[in-house]
Amino acid sequence: QKEVEQDPGPLSVPEGAIVSLNCTYSNSAFQYFMWYRQYSRKGPELLMYTYSSGNKEDGRFTAQVDKSSKYISLFIRDSQPSDSATYLCAMWGGNQFYFGTGTSLTVIP
Amino acid sequence: DVKVTQSSRYLVKRTGEKVFLECVQDMDHENMFWYRQDPGLGLRLIYFSYDVKMKEKGDIPEGYSVSREKKERFSLILESASTNQTSMYLCASSFELRGDSFGSGTRLTVV
Repeated sequence: QKEVEQDPGPLSVPEGAIVSLNCTYSNSAFQYFMWYRQYSRKGPELLMYTYSSGNKEDGRFTAQVDKSSKYISLFIRDSQPSDSATYLCAMWGGNQFYFGTGTSLTVIP
Repeated sequence: DVKVTQSSRYLVKRTGEKVFLECVQDMDHENMFWYRQDPGLGLRLIYFSYDVKMKEKGDIPEGYSVSREKKERFSLILESASTNQTSMYLCASSFELRGDSFGSGTRLTVV
């Protein structure tokens, strides 16, 4: 079983839709949970990070962590074509750090 | 904003060549990292460094070495390039996380 599982998609939504991106994990030592956005031919860009369980909001983005289910989510409200990218989750704890393989998102105008 | 600059966007090298990938960051970050990114495998940590002249192996160090002579510069070295090292190489730096600022990547092809 992989440490971090992420559906690769691709995911295609119309502009204005609410997008839900998810990752599951197996290592209960993970304490920090990150989401990165990666545009084509660019390096990843840190979008949000949260510590332990709960929600964190930043503009149109909300990160949610459920440690009891070992499940994290990133919600994008009012999605825009500029949100089209690959989204990577990452997790850190117990001296272990793992990235998910990424979900490809396309927002259609 | 932190800027992480990788010296080359695209490289083509021959099998057996020694390859140097350079990375420079401008925010005085202690920590620097080298990853490779492959389809279906995601980002995998090759080496990292917490201080000048200090290095630690990541998950896939075989066939690679690194050098950090100055705080702002972290170099990845492929001692004898092989075709299975064809990949996207990403450098990152940060204060805490395993890379909160990434460079744009170097796409290396070994023929």
